[in-house]
Amino acid sequence: GEDVEQSLFLSVREGDSSVINCTYTDSSSTYLYWYKQEPGAGLQLLTYIFSNMDMKQDQRLTVLLNKKDKHLSLRIADTQTGDSAIYFCAERDYKLSFGAGTTVTVRA
Amino acid sequence: GAVVSQHPSWVICKSGTSVKIECRSLDFQATTMFWYRQFPKQSLMLMATSNEGSKATYEQGVEKDKFLINHASLTLSTLTVTSAHPEDSSFYICSARDRGGDSSYEQYFGPGTRLTVT
Repeated sequence: GEDVEQSLFLSVREGDSSVINCTYTDSSSTYLYWYKQEPGAGLQLLTYIFSNMDMKQDQRLTVLLNKKDKHLSLRIADTQTGDSAIYFCAERDYKLSFGAGTTVTVRA
Repeated sequence: GAVVSQHPSWVICKSGTSVKIECRSLDFQATTMFWYRQFPKQSLMLMATSNEGSKATYEQGVEKDKFLINHASLTLSTLTVTSAHPEDSSFYICSARDRGGDSSYEQYFGPGTRLTVT
């Protein structure tokens, strides 16, 4: 089976960078994803990375993948109050497997 | 971008009744749709995968007779919770995979349906 683990909480000051970490166990993952979920809503795909890539940057978001250590991270630059949400890491072989989610709280 | 809708967004029903939740892909064709269940402050748990025109594949531990899935067309899948009980109360989220093109890697998620069984 696939296991995806994330830290559960992160508190960050507005304007600082946020870094959310994730580890996974399935070495045959083809894609890895970061989703954002706001209260009472579904999941919004933020970004993804192919398993043969090391890094991907998309505006304020930077994804780093260490395939050897099976470690994925999401960095949000200049964190804003609107970034407060739950962030899910997910990996996909033939189906998506999600981590438990990291609740990010942005304080003024 | 691709949009997935769910209806209803929330529903309250009495114990013993059945509830149907619809999932539609609005601007793309979805050969595969997924149904997830999410408990408060927990992750999404895949319940079943449905392919258009064929029977759904259920994950281990999910009762297929209780959670009926019908993927009748390339844009519609339904989940029926039969003889609902309070323990079925949860947030149900559907997801659809685009039929093709460069976005085949991506699953698009619906906004979720909050089911409360009293």
